[in-house]
Amino acid sequence: GIQVEQSPPDLILQEGANSTLRCNFSDSVNNLQWFHQNPWGQLINLFYIPSGTKQNGRLSATTVATERYSLLYISSSQTTDSGVYFCAASNTGTASKLTFGTGTRLQVTL
Amino acid sequence: DGGITQSPKYLFRKEGQNVTLSCEQNLNHDAMYWYRQDPGQGLRLIYYSQIVNDFQKGDIAEGYSVSREKKESFPLTVTSAQKNPTAFYLCASSATGGTGYTFGSGTRLTVV
Repeated sequence: GIQVEQSPPDLILQEGANSTLRCNFSDSVNNLQWFHQNPWGQLINLFYIPSGTKQNGRLSATTVATERYSLLYISSSQTTDSGVYFCAASNTGTASKLTFGTGTRLQVTL
Repeated sequence: DGGITQSPKYLFRKEGQNVTLSCEQNLNHDAMYWYRQDPGQGLRLIYYSQIVNDFQKGDIAEGYSVSREKKESFPLTVTSAQKNPTAFYLCASSATGGTGYTFGSGTRLTVV
């Protein structure tokens, strides 16, 4: 099956700083998503982005499918951005069976 | 408001017992999933269902069972055959093709 690797595994930022999280995947994909897991365990879908670029407020994501990577940009970070960011991908026929990376744990400090 | 409801939030199981985790969605999604998360790890797929009365094994199905008798419901049973069941269990649903992926708030299962 597809392999998904994320980097860095841990990241500490001061409030207001910008950051880039990376996701590499081992095969072509028909589904690529970014999720944020808050400290209480709730997972929120940030982007559905099998290719191209999307932006939502201070967050944006870019997937370069031909080079098998995706980037999540966080600008002007806030303490509420803390948590774990997961990349998940699929290359199955239904595109719905996601394989998750091990995540990037982000801590934003004052 | 549409969403996914998991219950209970916390569950304690004695050795040798079967327990069932509930997952209900009112998003009208065809597909539903169960994932397991261990501390500091990513999510691993246990079972998934793309349509009522049909489900498929994921990567770690041994010791688990599911049913999909209604579109809205996808309960997971953790059987006594699961040797290390202590984990955080997350249910999700999506539209066909994997868009609109939505997670429940999870159930923390502990073996005592």
